[in-house]
Amino acid sequence: DAGVTQSPTHLIKTRGQHVTLRCSPISGHKSVSWYQQVLGQGPQFIFQYYEKEERGRGNFPDRFSARQFPNYSSELNVNALLLGDSALYLCASSPQGQETQYFGPGTRLLVL
Amino acid sequence: GIQVEQSPPDLILQEGANSTLRCNFSDSVNNLQWFHQNPWGQLINLFYIPSGTKQNGRLSATTVATERYSLLYISSSQTTDSGVYFCAVSSGGSYIPTFGRGTSLIVHP
Repeated sequence: DAGVTQSPTHLIKTRGQHVTLRCSPISGHKSVSWYQQVLGQGPQFIFQYYEKEERGRGNFPDRFSARQFPNYSSELNVNALLLGDSALYLCASSPQGQETQYFGPGTRLLVL
Repeated sequence: GIQVEQSPPDLILQEGANSTLRCNFSDSVNNLQWFHQNPWGQLINLFYIPSGTKQNGRLSATTVATERYSLLYISSSQTTDSGVYFCAVSSGGSYIPTFGRGTSLIVHP
């Protein structure tokens, strides 16, 4: 079975631009979560979606938004990029959001 | 929110050595997971262990929920064990995990 997939794998943007990251969960999983991991730290929770509804939101500014589609895939959008948004963005899926989470390979975002 | 502390922050071993990684948390938990992040950034589930003991090959984990800590044991370490090990916990009515800062492990041949 295919694992969690994310696209793109790498991305370079300049300050002020916006970016859209994409995630496809494991087949049968209805929950998707997004995390930001900066160098030297553990992943920080951004959003969790279950059945297309937002179930949780971390301590991130409104420049960060996300949505989940009927096929359970998800997008993370970040507007007005800042240098500090440079990080590895991880997506994780789980059957209902309350169990073991399975992570994708991540998208490395560099903001110049 | 819940605090998660992992120790040691860094660990260097020779191949074949054993090690113990620790995760302390500040509140009762309803979910605890151990992950291994390889040098390419991929996070791999090792254990889902909110309480009790589990073993998987050379790895085992124990969580003592009443004393608010979990241990990850690595026996006969191999160079492929190198990477960062994270503990992630959630508490109360939330299943949103909080990650520790990780233990960076380097295993030399």
